[in-house]
Amino acid sequence: DGGITQSPKYLFRKEGQNVTLSCEQNLNHDAMYWYRQDPGQGLRLIYYSQIVNDFQKGDIAEGYSVSREKKESFPLTVTSAQKNPTAFYLCASSIDLAAGANVLTFGAGSRLTVL
Amino acid sequence: DQQVKQNSPSLSVQEGRISILNCDYTNSMFDYFLWYKKYPAEGPTFLISISSIKDKNEDGRFTVFLNKSAKHLSLHIVPSQPGDSAVYFCAASQLASGTYKYIFGTGTRLKVLA
Repeated sequence: DGGITQSPKYLFRKEGQNVTLSCEQNLNHDAMYWYRQDPGQGLRLIYYSQIVNDFQKGDIAEGYSVSREKKESFPLTVTSAQKNPTAFYLCASSIDLAAGANVLTFGAGSRLTVL
Repeated sequence: DQQVKQNSPSLSVQEGRISILNCDYTNSMFDYFLWYKKYPAEGPTFLISISSIKDKNEDGRFTVFLNKSAKHLSLHIVPSQPGDSAVYFCAASQLASGTYKYIFGTGTRLKVLA
């Protein structure tokens, strides 16, 4: 079954620690995205990538970093510089970033809680 | 500055009746609009989309209407079922620097009462 796998589903982190969220897709999609969801807010774009070894900042990239070494993988690192990291993180993919009719396919999400 | 707005945070509807979820936007350059449904602790799932050059798209119980002059779209679900209870997000796509970005609204929580 094709889809997007995010891990871990739940993660607890102490303040000052970096943490990496995994996102793997087997849909052969070119584009991948990271969104963050907070209560009462929509999904806000953190980073996105159209091709391997290339990625762009979204609307709230500060305190986050990503890599795209393989087409299937787009891990997100939440660094200690992120002021308010507790949130629900969603990874998504689409066939081609440069096509507005694309449907984003989402993973099940990772909930990060900073203690 | 929120370019995509869902002004109703919640909506309750009786089973079998029509649910109407609304979305307003400010940017006339949006190319496509999409609706997603989300259950707690899960990723959103795609429901239906509409191109900015159309005014209606229908898929089974779901119909999306687009009023470009009013910069308004709505999702109609008829008849509503208890399994439709979820948070619904509207999203808009925009071409920027050669790539498309998707901007989401804040969501409307729909509760369908049995």
